[in-house]
Formats: sequence, C-alpha cells, structure tokens
Amino acid sequence: DAGVIQSPRHEVTEMGQEVTLRCKPISGHDYLFWYRQTMMRGLELLIYFNNNVPIDDSGMPEDRFSAKMPNASFSTLKIQPSEPRDSAVYFCASSFSAVNEKLFFGSGTQLSVL
Amino acid sequence: GDSVTQMEGPVTLSEEAFLTINCTYTATGYPSLFWYVQYPGEGLQLLLKATKADDKGSNKGFEATYRKETTSFHLEKGSVQVSDSAVYFCAPVPGNQFYFGTGTSLTVIP
Repeated sequence: DAGVIQSPRHEVTEMGQEVTLRCKPISGHDYLFWYRQTMMRGLELLIYFNNNVPIDDSGMPEDRFSAKMPNASFSTLKIQPSEPRDSAVYFCASSFSAVNEKLFFGSGTQLSVL
Repeated sequence: GDSVTQMEGPVTLSEEAFLTINCTYTATGYPSLFWYVQYPGEGLQLLLKATKADDKGSNKGFEATYRKETTSFHLEKGSVQVSDSAVYFCAPVPGNQFYFGTGTSLTVIP
C-alpha cells in the first residue's frame, strides 16, 4: 500500500488566494482526519470524517476553512481566502477504526501564505 | 475533557544517554495510550502503544508502561542515538477522537 498520499507537498500562495489541499487515504480505512501543525500551537485536529461524513469540525478555525470528502478515496481541505496566519504544515491521516487503532499520517503539505 | 500533559521540550541529550519523556493524562474510562514519533520533514508514525493497565509497549528500544494509578505513560530509552532525534507525541484515545499534545522535541548530539 502506498500509504496516505497528500498533495501538493509544498504550496506558496499570496494572501487572499484560494488554497486546496488534497488527501487520498489508505484503501479500506473509514476514518479520515485533517490536522494543522505550527510551532506555537502544536498539532491541532481540524476535522474528521467517518465513512465520508464529517463527524466533528469543531477544530476548524473559521468559516474560511472547509473540508469535503466526496468519496472514500479522496478528501480536500480548502482555505478561501487565505491569510498569512494560515501558514503551517497540514497533515491528513486515516485509520481503519477510531477506537484503539493507530493513525497513518501522510507526509503533509507545507503551506506558506505571503 | 480528556487531555494529555506532556513534558515540554526541547530536550538535548548526548548519544548513549538515558531518555525519559513524561506523559500524564486525564480521561474518562481507561483509554488506550500511544506514543507517536515525527522525524524531520515527515508525518507522525506510531512508535508504541498499550491498551490496558500495566501493559508495556516497546519498539526500537523505547518502552512505556501504562500506569493507571498515576495516570501516566512515560517514554523511556536506555541509550539514545542520533537517529532518535525527532518530536515525540503522547496521545490517549478517548472514544472516537485523537488528541495530541504539543510534542516533545528531542535532539541527540554525537
């Protein structure tokens, strides 16, 4: 298995632009998580899905952030409009179950908003 | 709510030194406990886990024992290597959500 695949690996954009991050979970995993990592705040859970349905989006910072999972093999995290304070590494992770099972993380997307 | 308190870093050790990274948790019930490791430029990966009290998880020379009486899951290694330089995260699994602490950065110098 190729593992969790995220794209792009790096994204540099200007303030106000729309940014879309993509994630392909491991086949057969029915939980998908989006995290954001910064030096100041560490690793924050933004949202997670179960069987393509958003279960908890309380970590999404504001309305500029949205996430979708149109099918079991694809998810997007969109920021519109982007701001410099959104600069961070965004990780996608998946798991077979959310109870007593480990998460498999992608390599992350390094986002820089200028 | 459920949470972890993890030793703050950064931690710098010489090669072959003994490592302890403290982790205590508050949770309803008896969660499984995990340690994840993040090497530079990579995502997190599971290092070890324990699912019940007194269980000891171990991997790559690292160990952690699930102590229910002290609600702790401290990570230890007897002799660290330069390749152990990474960020370590303690995470309980309370139900259906995965919360991570801020992590502890470890640098091992030759």
